[in-house]
Formats: sequence, structure tokens, C-alpha cells
Amino acid sequence: RKEVEQDPGPFNVPEGATVAFNCTYSNSASQSFFWYRQDCRKEPKLLMSVYSSGNEDGRFTAQLNRASQYISLLIRDSKLSDSATYLCVVSQGSARQLTFGSGTQLTVLP
Amino acid sequence: GAGVSQSPSNKVTEKGKDVELRCDPISGHTALYWYRQSLGQGLEFLIYFQGNSAPDKSGLPSDRFSAERTGGSVSTLTIQRTQQEDSAVYLCASSLGYGGETQYFGPGTRLLVL
Repeated sequence: RKEVEQDPGPFNVPEGATVAFNCTYSNSASQSFFWYRQDCRKEPKLLMSVYSSGNEDGRFTAQLNRASQYISLLIRDSKLSDSATYLCVVSQGSARQLTFGSGTQLTVLP
Repeated sequence: GAGVSQSPSNKVTEKGKDVELRCDPISGHTALYWYRQSLGQGLEFLIYFQGNSAPDKSGLPSDRFSAERTGGSVSTLTIQRTQQEDSAVYLCASSLGYGGETQYFGPGTRLLVL
């Protein structure tokens, strides 16, 4: 079983749609959680950290359920520019390095 | 300010040759990480440097891979006797340090082993 598993995708949605990505992680000792975005042939960039209380940044909402070891990302009113691969990322505090899911590809269609 | 930089951007080499990949982290960042991303795959952790501590080499796939970080700043990833399966994008990231903080990635080096 992979340490971090994501929806296989790809997701093709029309502009303005709401889309949700899910992710599960296997290591219960995981302490930090993130969503990164990666555009084609570019490096990953942090989209947002994920906190236990849930957090929102504009059209993006992230949720964490530690009991179920589950992370989600909700994108509302999707834009063409949201088209990218979204990476679920987990860190064990003592290990420092990030463990990446394989990513979910999103294409927002006009 | 300047972000993480990597060189070269692209590297084509022949099987069996050695390659060196360079990473310049963000100034003041004490933690430096190397990852690789194979075509269509997720990122795979390779090695982690934190200050003057011994590096965490647990992700290196074989003894052909090594990395060093001189003066707590620039890092070099060396792959000896390259194989075709080493072809990937090698990404460097840096963070302030001590775990959990945001990692900022460089643009990567695309390595192709013929």
C-alpha cells in the first residue's frame, strides 16, 4: 500500500464547477499536511497547508480528518488557470522529508 | 528574493557516465532536500540535509547515488555509472528547517540517460 494515496483522476470539469480531491495516508504518526500544485513540466508549488480545524483560502478549502487519516481539497468556481496536477503531501515531523501522493490531474474546460 | 536554483536545466548523458547536479538553496534556509520525479510518477525522496547534522540518506536508491552539501549551502547530487532508469527530473527543495515548514522547490534538472 502506498503511504499517500489520491484519487486516480483525471478530472475534467467545466469552468465554474466545484471539484473535490481526496487523499488518504497510512502513517498515523504524520504531523504535517499540505496540498501542492504542479503545472506541466514545472516544479511543485505549495497551494496550502492543511490544519486539523480545516482552512480556507479564497476558492480553496482543505480539510483534515486525523481519525480517518483523510485529507481533502475543495475547489469552488473553478477557473481555467486551476488546470494542473494536485499533489497531496504528508510529512512525519521527525523525518522531515515530504511524502507525495502520485497526484490528481485537473483540467478545467471552457 | 531569489528562489531555489538548479543547474543544469537539462542534461543528456550516455549510459555509464557520471553526472553532477547542483542546487543553490534559498539564502538562510538550513534544510535542503533532493527528490526525483520519473515520468508520470510522484516525487520520490532521495536525501535530506539539516544544518551540520549527518544527512538522511534513506531515500537513495543505490550506492551509485551520493550527495554533499558544502558550507551548509550549495549541494551537489552525483550519480555514478548512470543507467537508463536514472532518467528523471531531479528536484531540489529548501526550507527554513526543523521539519514541517514549507519546502520551496527549484525548477529541477531533467536528466536523460541514453
